[in-house]
Amino acid sequence: DAKTTQPNSMESNEEEPVHLPCNHSTISGTDYIHWYRQLPSQGPEYVIHGLTSNVNNRMASLAIAEDRKSSTLILHRATLRDAAVYYCSGDTDKLIFGTGTRLQVFP
Amino acid sequence: DTGVSQDPRHKITKRGQNVTFRCDPISEHNRLYWYRQTLGQGPEFLTYFQNEAQLEKSRLLSDRFSAERPKGSFSTLEIQRTEQGDSAMYLCASSLDGVYVDTEAFFGQGTRLTVV
Repeated sequence: DAKTTQPNSMESNEEEPVHLPCNHSTISGTDYIHWYRQLPSQGPEYVIHGLTSNVNNRMASLAIAEDRKSSTLILHRATLRDAAVYYCSGDTDKLIFGTGTRLQVFP
Repeated sequence: DTGVSQDPRHKITKRGQNVTFRCDPISEHNRLYWYRQTLGQGPEFLTYFQNEAQLEKSRLLSDRFSAERPKGSFSTLEIQRTEQGDSAMYLCASSLDGVYVDTEAFFGQGTRLTVV
């Protein structure tokens, strides 16, 4: 299974951008990079995914390194509702989660 | 569609008892996944199905654990002779296809198991 590495925690102030990094150095060339987040007492929810090109959706942007060994989830303007644990995954055919990054957002 | 549904939401059982959890995926989703999550850890992959076929089972999964998806719709996860170490949140997820393609998975709220 592909291994991912993320910082344990990050902090941000409300309305500021947040860049959440992920290393997935063992990812294969055809595996999608997925990001999910988990709010307290809830199941994980999908944030974004991509293969090679940078991706944007209503929740976030995903910047993928050219060698695909790392990616960055970008929250353009953090809100209090974005406080959660963020997981990245890059694996064949199933999601493999590490310990994730706990994002704290301060008002 | 109301999303992925798991039942029960909470289960307290005595050590040594058997428990069974149910997951109803989003209709027409071919893939169904089971995960286990303990406090402070990310969800740990257990097993997954493509329709009724169980494609992979984690090497870490004890023989006391078994999962089925008999008609390719709902799935059950059974734990026999429960141990205190089985106490965790059990999460189910479904997706239209495998995550190796351009798709996303939807998770249920989970079943919290407490073994006393």
